[in-house]
Amino acid sequence: DTAVSQTPKYLVTQMGNDKSIKCEQNLGHDTMYWYKQDSKKFLKIMFSYNNKELIINETVPNRFSPKSPDKAHLNLHINSLELGDSAVYFCASSQAPGGETQYFGPGTRLLVL
Amino acid sequence: SQQGEEDPQALSIQEGENATMNCSYKTSINNLQWYRQNSGRGLVHLILIRSNEREKHSGRLRVTLDTSKKSSSLLITASRAADTASYFCATEAGGSYIPTFGRGTSLIVHP
Repeated sequence: DTAVSQTPKYLVTQMGNDKSIKCEQNLGHDTMYWYKQDSKKFLKIMFSYNNKELIINETVPNRFSPKSPDKAHLNLHINSLELGDSAVYFCASSQAPGGETQYFGPGTRLLVL
Repeated sequence: SQQGEEDPQALSIQEGENATMNCSYKTSINNLQWYRQNSGRGLVHLILIRSNEREKHSGRLRVTLDTSKKSSSLLITASRAADTASYFCATEAGGSYIPTFGRGTSLIVHP
């Protein structure tokens, strides 16, 4: 069974479009995260939710809006996509925020043309 | 903000050799974690070491933490070709839940 899953795995789209990435975890964790990994492998946290509440929001443009309908899901919607949004986006989860092992999804490779 | 920086950026060794990677950070931390990322995959957790611990082992992995030098090292003994991956350290600063990753060390183990 996949612990943390993301869809889609690949996403190729035009500048200006709106797209969503979905994430689900079946580990029963309370905390979920979105990360962006650039072409130089730099991994930076974007958002974190704990029990469906936003607890981390790291200087991310307003075009990015996370939504957590329940503890097992954290989706990421991106409006007006720009070339610089091209990256790999990783979802992760942990039992609680802070000092806990994070379990990562396989990543969504986004390419904006 | 807090950031771990791995060193070296790239490491190439022969199977059977040991591989050592270092991570340095700037401010006091609650804990430090090491993760592995195989090409095209998500990160996999290896070891978590808390600020009051100095050394931890897991199989062929040994992690040390020196809070006075604000640094950690990951040692992989008797490396295998399957250890080829990027290795990241992640820190959480005191009073923060924000995990900060470095840029990783790219390890290649030649069979």
